[in-house]
Amino acid sequence: AQTVTQSQPEMSVQEAETVTLSCTYDTSESNYYLFWYKQPPSRQMILVIRQEAYKQQNATENRFSVNFQKAAKSFSLKISDSQLGDTAMYFCAFMNPTPRGFGNEKLTFGTGTRLTIIP
Amino acid sequence: GAGVSQTPSNKVTEKGKYVELRCDPISGHTALYWYRQSLGQGPEFLIYFQGTGAADDSGLPNDRFFAVRPEGSVSTLKIQRTERGDSAVYLCASSSTHRERDGGEQFFGPGTRLTVL
Repeated sequence: AQTVTQSQPEMSVQEAETVTLSCTYDTSESNYYLFWYKQPPSRQMILVIRQEAYKQQNATENRFSVNFQKAAKSFSLKISDSQLGDTAMYFCAFMNPTPRGFGNEKLTFGTGTRLTIIP
Repeated sequence: GAGVSQTPSNKVTEKGKYVELRCDPISGHTALYWYRQSLGQGPEFLIYFQGTGAADDSGLPNDRFFAVRPEGSVSTLKIQRTERGDSAVYLCASSSTHRERDGGEQFFGPGTRLTVL
């Protein structure tokens, strides 16, 4: 079974600074997807960024980027120029896709990191 | 277009009662997932539907929990004889089969907060 570990329960950073959230996972699979989801107080889970394991290039979405180290099974999220609206819970998640194009692609989540951006 | 919607937003019930939680996925999404998020935890998988059938219900904690999706769209999670330990946020998500296009993204609803007194 896959496991996802987020070792930082809480973090805080000054507005406009850069912050890195860590995530490690354990799997015996070679092909999989990794995600970072953001959950603000409204409870709505919002996809921040995703990474396909077979792609060596780290994913980037505007101020958000990842450092994907497949051999180390590490998937950290870097938020640059942090903004007040980035305050939320952040969850790392793992998905093991099926070959046929669809199947039981359930997400396995970590316990989350509560990020607070300080004005 | 509309996102995933869930009703009710909040539900308070008494121990031993029966509750139904509803999920309306994004139109055209054939895959539907239910997750449970306890306080201070990440969401945990409960059940997955592909179309009308439950393809994987391995996450349901016991036989008090049941879910249906009779027409392949709206799904209802049903909990019998509720217990205080069932208190949590119940999240629903949907996704399309076009994984290569959508990259496996699951679109989540805002959840239903269930409180069992």
